[in-house]
Amino acid sequence: AQSVAQPEDQVNVAEGNPLTVKCTYSVSGNPYLFWYVQYPNRGLQFLLKYITGDNLVKGSYGFEAEFNKSQTSFHLKKPSALVSDSALYFCAVRDVTDSSYKLIFGSGTRLLVRP
Amino acid sequence: DAGVIQSPRHEVTEMGQEVTLRCKPISGHDYLFWYRQTMMRGLELLIYFNNNVPIDDSGMPEDRFSAKMPNASFSTLKIQPSEPRDSAVYFCASSTLGVQETQYFGPGTRLLVL
Repeated sequence: AQSVAQPEDQVNVAEGNPLTVKCTYSVSGNPYLFWYVQYPNRGLQFLLKYITGDNLVKGSYGFEAEFNKSQTSFHLKKPSALVSDSALYFCAVRDVTDSSYKLIFGSGTRLLVRP
Repeated sequence: DAGVIQSPRHEVTEMGQEVTLRCKPISGHDYLFWYRQTMMRGLELLIYFNNNVPIDDSGMPEDRFSAKMPNASFSTLKIQPSEPRDSAVYFCASSTLGVQETQYFGPGTRLLVL
């Protein structure tokens, strides 16, 4: 069965510092991995995805994520955090071998960037 | 493109009433997904359609919930009768053909059942 774990309910960083939001996954086959961000009272917005190729994926708003197959991780990173990055972040996975088009979402990590 | 459109954005109703949520997917997208988000259960997939046909409704909580997609540009999620535990934010998302393709979410409908 597919699953996604976001071990931190909240991450606190100071503006200008690097940030990392952690995600680990479990699938039977190879994964397609996604990060979404949700601002208050808004829908989820797509940030980036890993399908194949380069393990380092660059996305919107200066975010990037690194696919690590051996550690089954897909951590979201940004070199310098902004206060406006404060939001709820979701990691999601889809198994390549699964004929279903379901995305399995993690529980979400709240990012708080202090001025 | 206007993105995925959902209506209403907010709905307050009394227990026992029928609730209908509406979604217009992005033009050209042939997959449509309905999700529910609550604090307790997070983001749950309720049902999804491909080319207007329901493919997997295993996430629909019970018979009080039903979803339809009469054409490529419109879908409804109906709750009848509604209960206080149905209070949640309901999202619609759409995507194009292919497992690699990204799902794009609407702004959601915040439902409160009193």
